[in-house]
Amino acid sequence: QQPVQSPQAVILREGEDAVINCSSSKALYSVHWYRQKHGEAPVFLMILLKGGEQKGHDKISASFNEKKQQSSLYLTASQLSYSGTYFCGTGNQGAQKLVFGQGTRLTINP
Amino acid sequence: DAMVIQNPRYQVTQFGKPVTLSCSQTLNHNVMYWYQQKSSQAPKLLFHYYDKDFNNEADTPDNFQSRRPNTSFCFLDIRSPGLGDAAMYLCATSRALRFSGRSWEKLFFGSGTQLSVL
Repeated sequence: QQPVQSPQAVILREGEDAVINCSSSKALYSVHWYRQKHGEAPVFLMILLKGGEQKGHDKISASFNEKKQQSSLYLTASQLSYSGTYFCGTGNQGAQKLVFGQGTRLTINP
Repeated sequence: DAMVIQNPRYQVTQFGKPVTLSCSQTLNHNVMYWYQQKSSQAPKLLFHYYDKDFNNEADTPDNFQSRRPNTSFCFLDIRSPGLGDAAMYLCATSRALRFSGRSWEKLFFGSGTQLSVL
């Protein structure tokens, strides 16, 4: 079942922060985050495997609330290079496959 | 560099004419996936191979078939392409432990094949 992302689109000025949410009606066992620029393949950002886990590099971080069956991606002090569509992908127990949310389009303006 | 390679980058076919897209990998990953992505939509999983085991998604049309002759190569066959099959087709690989129960490893994507149907 496809996870639900919100918001669908965000427009920011360079330097502003953004939060993208990903939720599922089914139990989550892992959450992946990818960024895709127009005409290119998705690029891996991070995986969260445990409830309560938080990860980050540079100014992009994420959290995973297993009980609430949701994950959030945080982008702080956004840069122009952060523009693109962000997808969360969720994995189900016992299934080696990833189903993506509908995506959140992030536009960063100078 | 180890990578996932898709050929061709752009493919044009005629309505109803069979077409094959190819994917190769040098990562020696045991799982290979085919995703279909239409404009402004999320990648949609069509099927995946876990080693030689083929796993079809319930809503993947019969028009789509796949072959994995060995670890390195995987093919997507569209038997009778329709206008609605025009999309970007993404191949991805991952390394997974059988019976691990979780998607531990990240997906490595190829650059995709943009399919046009005339």
